[in-house]
Amino acid sequence: GQQLNQSPQSMFIQEGEDVSMNCTSSSIFNTWLWYKQEPGEGPVLLIALYKAGELTSNGRLTAQFGITRKDSFLNISASIPSDVGIYFCAGRSGSGGSNYKLTFGKGTLLTVNP
Amino acid sequence: DAGVTQSPTHLIKTRGQQVTLRCSPKSGHDTVSWYQQALGQGPQFIFQYYEEEERQRGNFPDRFSGHQFPNYSSELNVNALLLGDSALYLCASSRLAGVSNEQFFGPGTRLTVL
Repeated sequence: GQQLNQSPQSMFIQEGEDVSMNCTSSSIFNTWLWYKQEPGEGPVLLIALYKAGELTSNGRLTAQFGITRKDSFLNISASIPSDVGIYFCAGRSGSGGSNYKLTFGKGTLLTVNP
Repeated sequence: DAGVTQSPTHLIKTRGQQVTLRCSPKSGHDTVSWYQQALGQGPQFIFQYYEEEERQRGNFPDRFSGHQFPNYSSELNVNALLLGDSALYLCASSRLAGVSNEQFFGPGTRLTVL
């Protein structure tokens, strides 16, 4: 099935460093979402973006909806050990009250060295 | 406020068997989506149920079927299991209408087909 192009595939960083990951698509999406998944758990929603160019923060996390509507990025500032996990981007078509399927990237595995 | 719950947590089946997975949505949610997540991959959309009907379907064969009950809970059925059906099956619930209709995921059911 279709998946978004997410990079990098994995990152190994030191505590306190900033992290950046991105996601691109050949299709336009009306919504971009970023989820985090930890072992044995389902994905947890971190940030939702609804308008092209939108920049949204959630604590140390900042995400942007690309102007072309075909890409998005997620930044994590001052990483801490509990940031460890797999980060997924997801795109959704449809508008208004529509709640269509999510298309996911393959994920970015983040490891933080204390 | 209980989140999305799924049962069972783990399941082992043999090829050719049939399996039923269950999902209870988050309180106030009326829409249930099912995803398959293979090891090392992002979730892949199977189908979505609203008002007890299948609204949208991903690229999965007819061996995958579902049902939604009047209390909004849902079941995923897979017939004639194949080795390739081994995966984490995720249920996500949402509210079709409203300010935020984002999908919230359960912890998943880990299916192993031997």
